[in-house]
Amino acid sequence: GAGVSQSPSNKVTEKGKDVELRCDPISGHTALYWYRQRLGQGLEFLIYFQGNSAPDKSGLPSDRFSAERTGESVSTLTIQRTQQEDSAVYLCASSLDGNTEAFFGQGTRLTVV
Amino acid sequence: GDSVTQMEGPVTLSEEAFLTINCTYTATGYPSLFWYVQYPGEGLQLLLKATKADDKGSNKGFEATYRKETTSFHLEKGSVQVSDSAVYFCALSDLVFSGGYNKLIFGAGTRLAVHP
Repeated sequence: GAGVSQSPSNKVTEKGKDVELRCDPISGHTALYWYRQRLGQGLEFLIYFQGNSAPDKSGLPSDRFSAERTGESVSTLTIQRTQQEDSAVYLCASSLDGNTEAFFGQGTRLTVV
Repeated sequence: GDSVTQMEGPVTLSEEAFLTINCTYTATGYPSLFWYVQYPGEGLQLLLKATKADDKGSNKGFEATYRKETTSFHLEKGSVQVSDSAVYFCALSDLVFSGGYNKLIFGAGTRLAVHP
């Protein structure tokens, strides 16, 4: 596609529910990143995919967080049993090969109530 | 580990004023350095970059020079406009040797508000 697409753009969920956030990277980009941006803070690295593998999961904050990527394309970030502290904007980025410029989606704003 | 520190905002300026947003970094390798901008309601966009020491990145009147001796990459613009109002993020991209990929590390962001 023309750019990185994320859905939904906004999600309000009740505490304890599971949520899935989707990222469609730029076609042909093998590298994909997930970041979290809490209100007024910088971007916090969550996970990196090269193809369908995730060689760096070091930023996932707890075992409630998981992510997968299929077909070297779409990625899904899943948060189980959401907590209020999970409220943030979740950003996805892709790059051609992990060594070039990363392009960002517009993010999913998650609000846990 | 690698980190990026940038000046806290908000920075409030009048139109045509000179802008500096400070950014310093800590890295184990030889990172590339970036400034990203996030305009209201939009996603992050790459503003400029520099890949090695003494390189100067420039775009839309903004400039930043990669200073290895001071581990800095300060963003400057000679005359800001209202349309420059946004959040600016300094970032570094460092090679993860074990994985052969680059990891983007961001600063906390600096909000710039330019008034007419």
